[in-house]
Amino acid sequence: ETGVTQTPRHLVMGMTNKKSLKCEQHLGHNAMYWYKQSAKKPLELMFVYSLEERVENNSVPSRFSPECPNSSHLFLHLHTLQPEDSALYLCASSLMGPATNEKLFFGSGTQLSVL
Amino acid sequence: QKEVEQNSGPLSVPEGAIASLNCTYSDRGSQSFFWYRQYSGKSPELIMSIYSNGDQEDGRFTAQLNKASQYVSLLIRDSQPSDSATYLCAASFITQGGSEKLVFGKGTKLTVNP
Repeated sequence: ETGVTQTPRHLVMGMTNKKSLKCEQHLGHNAMYWYKQSAKKPLELMFVYSLEERVENNSVPSRFSPECPNSSHLFLHLHTLQPEDSALYLCASSLMGPATNEKLFFGSGTQLSVL
Repeated sequence: QKEVEQNSGPLSVPEGAIASLNCTYSDRGSQSFFWYRQYSGKSPELIMSIYSNGDQEDGRFTAQLNKASQYVSLLIRDSQPSDSATYLCAASFITQGGSEKLVFGKGTKLTVNP
């Protein structure tokens, strides 16, 4: 148990659906991240929040919309996704924020399938 | 484009042998390097960090860094079947906006055969 909890673990959705992924960290960290992990591709950073403020947005399509209401919770709202968006979505947290010596604590991920 | 390159494997070693995992990175300015282990169906977990040239040892794991060659490696001594996993190499980069971010390689799948 890493202290980072993601729900749901698995999600199947149609291209017209709207769904949300939820992440909660119990570590008292100040930074939270969304990563996308596709087969045979590197982990891709999507969004970074530090002290509830978005500090990084890696040219992610607008059909992915993050929300960070407080330092313990992070959401990823999904709408009108494409089949190529099917992947494992990982949430992570770190103590202070994006920095060179920060250890990332990952959640178990949400395996998303878009039909 | 900042990149971290790893041989995707699979790398197969017998139990008790030394497993050697390699990684190269594109940005000469990178300062911090990490090895994460990811078991099948699980999330990545950090096993080693290294920031300066040379070796960093922790139990059966040794991380090696050569900044001149832009090369990072992970050695696993006395490999055990429980070490079978995908190993992700990551390097830090400074973005154009001045923030720091980690870039991951695709990972090397290691299988340790009993």
